[in-house]
Parts: sequence; C-alpha cells; structure tokens
Amino acid sequence: QVHLVESGGGLVKPGGSLRLSCAASGFTFSDYYMSWIRQAPGKGLEWVSYITHSGSTMHYADSVKGRFTISRDNANNSLYLQMHSLRAEDTAVYYCARRGYSDGYNWFDPWGQGTLVTVSS
Amino acid sequence: DIQMTQSPSSLSASVGDRVTITCRASQYISNYLNWYQRKPGKAPKLLIFAASSLQSGVPSRFSGTGSGTDFTLTISSLQPEDFATYYCQQSYSTPPETFGQGTKVEIK
Repeated sequence: QVHLVESGGGLVKPGGSLRLSCAASGFTFSDYYMSWIRQAPGKGLEWVSYITHSGSTMHYADSVKGRFTISRDNANNSLYLQMHSLRAEDTAVYYCARRGYSDGYNWFDPWGQGTLVTVSS
Repeated sequence: DIQMTQSPSSLSASVGDRVTITCRASQYISNYLNWYQRKPGKAPKLLIFAASSLQSGVPSRFSGTGSGTDFTLTISSLQPEDFATYYCQQSYSTPPETFGQGTKVEIK
C-alpha cells in the first residue's frame, strides 16, 4: 500500500527555520518525482516545490524561492523541505505528494496527511 | 503562469442531486486537468486525471469532461460521503502546478 507520512511541523517564530520530512513506503520511491504542496488556513491548495526522481532538478514557487530547499534521500525513501526565513504567510498544512505520470500526463497521488507549520511570535 | 478559476466557490445540494463544478483555465491546457477531493482532516484525494480518466477506486458517479480551457466535474447522484471541497489543477505548463481556488459542496 502506497503511503506518505509527513513530520517536522510545529510553531516557529518569524525568521526562523524548520525542516519537514516525508517518509514514503509501498512503492519504488526513486522512480517518481515528489512534491510539497501547502494549504494555508481558509485558503486553497498551493504547490510549493518538486524534485525529480534522481534529485538532480528542483523547482519552487516564487513565494518560497530562495528560502526553501527540497531534497530527497532515495536510499531511505525520504523527502525533505528545509524552510528558512519563515514568514507568517508560510503558516499552512504542508503535504508531500507523489507525482504520478502516464502517457505524458501527471498528477498528485497519493498525498500524505499533512504537517502543520505555524509561524507566529 | 496559468490561472485556474472554479465556479461556484460553494454550493448547497441534497443527497441524490446531480452536482456540476466548473473549472476554467486562463489559457489553453488541452486536457491536462486533474480533479481532487479534500475532506477536513484528510489528505486530498485524486478523483480524475487527464480531464476525464477516473482514478482507480473512485466511484463511477464522478465524471470529468472538457478540453482547451473549460472543464467540468460532475457527481451524478450526490452521496453523504461526497460533501467536501473539490479542486482542479492544471499540469499542462509547469512549473508552477496551479490549482483552482476550490468549490465547497455543502449539505442543503
């Protein structure tokens, strides 16, 4: 059974740092791109970042570029999001998601349950 | 970036109703359109990919149509477990992968 479990969320002061982790199981992790997606309170879903299966290429939303770094450890089936210079507007539930693909199409499936990041003084 | 606009933002419906949600892209995206369902406290769930392909395990009362810029998600007979928020997402021109703002389906 494909499973993603996030951890590492919590309360952090503005300007602080936090590292999120996502443990994957039930599939060949190194075959898939992986993403982080977030949902701020009362807001919709916002894609944050993705990383290619080998970890050689990463992309970021403009809102986090230069502050967040996505990485992965294929040997340990883990995805990470290092977050620096956190702002109040980064407060959200952060989901990791597998980027499925077929015939040129791609989608997010499955998603983890999410981990809450709260940036507040 | 491609903007995705859903309508309505929310709707009230009864069990058994036919429900239609619309998603419009700000530019041509062919059929690179996915639909997700999100219930409070639960992980978002993929319902439909490539505009009309039903994800494995998703009930057949869910269907998707559309191509180009206009897309529709239809629930043919609303069930109690379908009360949730639904999101569309384009995968035609990425990054960024953009989502609609969501449509909340509530009980009438």
